[in-house]
Amino acid sequence: KQEVTQIPAALSVPEGENLVLNCSFTDSAIYNLQWFRQDPGKGLTSLLLIQSSQREQTSGRLNASLDKSSGRSTLYIAASQPGDSATYLCAVDNTDKLIFGTGTRLQVFP
Amino acid sequence: DAGITQSPRHKVTETGTPVTLRCHQTENHRYMYWYRQDPGHGLRLIHYSYGVKDTDKGEVSDGYSVSRSKTEDFLLTLESATSSQTSVYFCAISESSTEQFFGPGTRLTVL
Repeated sequence: KQEVTQIPAALSVPEGENLVLNCSFTDSAIYNLQWFRQDPGKGLTSLLLIQSSQREQTSGRLNASLDKSSGRSTLYIAASQPGDSATYLCAVDNTDKLIFGTGTRLQVFP
Repeated sequence: DAGITQSPRHKVTETGTPVTLRCHQTENHRYMYWYRQDPGHGLRLIHYSYGVKDTDKGEVSDGYSVSRSKTEDFLLTLESATSSQTSVYFCAISESSTEQFFGPGTRLTVL
């Protein structure tokens, strides 16, 4: 059974820092991995999708990497801003069904 | 944003009553999903659909049923709501093995 773990569970940093959020999964037979952002009381916003054949994806200040063999993905946030404060979720796709981690709650203070 | 709406957005109901949540999409995506989100458990898949009248169970399907009579609508029914079904429910859509896009959620409270 696929299990997805995100470390740390919570993170508080000053504005401007570069951050790394971690996601690990137990079964490397995945189709893709997706990173989401969730603001309090809101739905999920898709940030990045990495297909199983890819090593990384970039969007603006965000860069996500995927190492299937070790069962790991990282989300790198450059030059963090207070507006980046949210919960970040990773999810792996096994046969068109997403398995989610429990998220990293990020707070960026001015 | 992907065209996904959920209704109602908030609902309070009593134990034992039936409840139906609706997900509507305007993207003509093949796959639709229902998840629940609970503290300490993250998001868990309840049921999903891979086409009209084609549905399957997810991880936490007990106590829930679904129907999809049209491409754009996916209904989640709690036949007899229980307090353990108090949760936030999210609908999502996708084409096969691609990004999933989520609706705004429905907050359900069962008293």
